[in-house]
Amino acid sequence: GAGVSQSPSNKVTEKGKDVELRCDPISGHTALYWYRQSLGQGLEFLIYFQGNSAPDKSGLPSDRFSAERTGGSVSTLTIQRTQQEDSAVYLCASSLDGRWNTEAFFGQGTRLTVV
Amino acid sequence: TQLLEQSPQFLSIQEGENLTVYCNSSSVFSSLQWYRQEPGEGPVLLVTVVTGGEVKKLKRLTFQFGDARKDSSLHITAAQPGDTGLYLCAGGSGDSGGGADGLTFGKGTHLIIQP
Repeated sequence: GAGVSQSPSNKVTEKGKDVELRCDPISGHTALYWYRQSLGQGLEFLIYFQGNSAPDKSGLPSDRFSAERTGGSVSTLTIQRTQQEDSAVYLCASSLDGRWNTEAFFGQGTRLTVV
Repeated sequence: TQLLEQSPQFLSIQEGENLTVYCNSSSVFSSLQWYRQEPGEGPVLLVTVVTGGEVKKLKRLTFQFGDARKDSSLHITAAQPGDTGLYLCAGGSGDSGGGADGLTFGKGTHLIIQP
């Protein structure tokens, strides 16, 4: 597609349920990032993929969070046993090669509300 | 932990006025990026500065990277209602700063330009 696509755009879930967020990066972009933006806050870095591998998963807030990327393209962020503090906008971005001076393009985000 | 502090947090001014927002850190960054985010959208890159003392101009926007690469400023001349949005600065570090280390984002400046 022309840009980074995220789905769903909005998700309301009950506390304790699992959710899966999807990111379709720009075709040909090898680097993919997940960020979390809470109300009134900046972006919190969660995880980065170069191809299918994630060198460092320490940015994930807890072991309830996991992410994978297959085929060097689509990525999913899974949150198990959701808690109210997980409510936030989850943003995905992709860039051509992940170098520090390469522009990252963001999707519109998934707004997650845990009730 | 690298932190970027942005000021002011909120700014509301009249159309035609000038303004400056600041992004400060005690850490050195390889690059500094400025993004603009509108409600319901992901951040969009405005500029990347990489050299200490560098100044970049984008129409009515002037971006400056501090000599020590620890701080940056965004100056808007003759602000217009279309400039309204959340302005985020983000620092990259390391050889693959925007990649494996992720970008460190400030909390942003909420800018409102009143007609």
